[in-house]
Amino acid sequence: DQQVKQNSPSLSVQEGRISILNCDYTNSMFDYFLWYKKYPAEGPTFLISISSIKDKNEDGRFTVFLNKSAKHLSLHIVPSQPGDSAVYFCAASGDTGRRALTFGSGTRLQVQP
Amino acid sequence: DARVTQTPRHKVTEMGQEVTMRCQPILGHNTVFWYRQTMMQGLELLAYFRNRAPLDDSGMPKDRFSAEMPDATLATLKIQPSEPRDSAVYFCASGHGTAKRETQYFGPGTRLLVL
Repeated sequence: DQQVKQNSPSLSVQEGRISILNCDYTNSMFDYFLWYKKYPAEGPTFLISISSIKDKNEDGRFTVFLNKSAKHLSLHIVPSQPGDSAVYFCAASGDTGRRALTFGSGTRLQVQP
Repeated sequence: DARVTQTPRHKVTEMGQEVTMRCQPILGHNTVFWYRQTMMQGLELLAYFRNRAPLDDSGMPKDRFSAEMPDATLATLKIQPSEPRDSAVYFCASGHGTAKRETQYFGPGTRLLVL
């Protein structure tokens, strides 16, 4: 039973365009959401997060949107750069004292020059 | 530049052998997590500690896996005996356990292959 789902295993965009990565969750106890980027042979690197009291958080070229009613979040990268090519994982944690993250299966982003 | 470090980075062993993976969390972090990444299951939690005390190891096969924190600067994950299905990348992550919504920082992982 996947509580965090990334339904698109891969995404390809042109350099300079917008990349939109999507994530859905089923557990209504989740109240903190994170995006990690992962290059081959490296550990996941924290990118951006959002708590459930917000619907948007922005950090440079990266913006995360949260729609609690739809249990959906998305990561927007504008403009996309070839160096953004990586696997992006959505993760969530709940406000129950359990701090471990539940991860989605990842979306491989390829930014074409 | 504070980072989580893990050793070894790669390990090839034969079925039945003991494997020990080590992690040094970021100085000042008091929560440590072990995750495993496989093609089939993605990233899944094995165990986590706060202030060196194990809080959740429900994701870990108890008969062969054990996780400990001998001190605040070292976490270990041991598999004995190892099996081919244990082949995966094992990540350690650390965070500030005092934060209500903490961000976890990952090490580079140990890539384990059990033949």
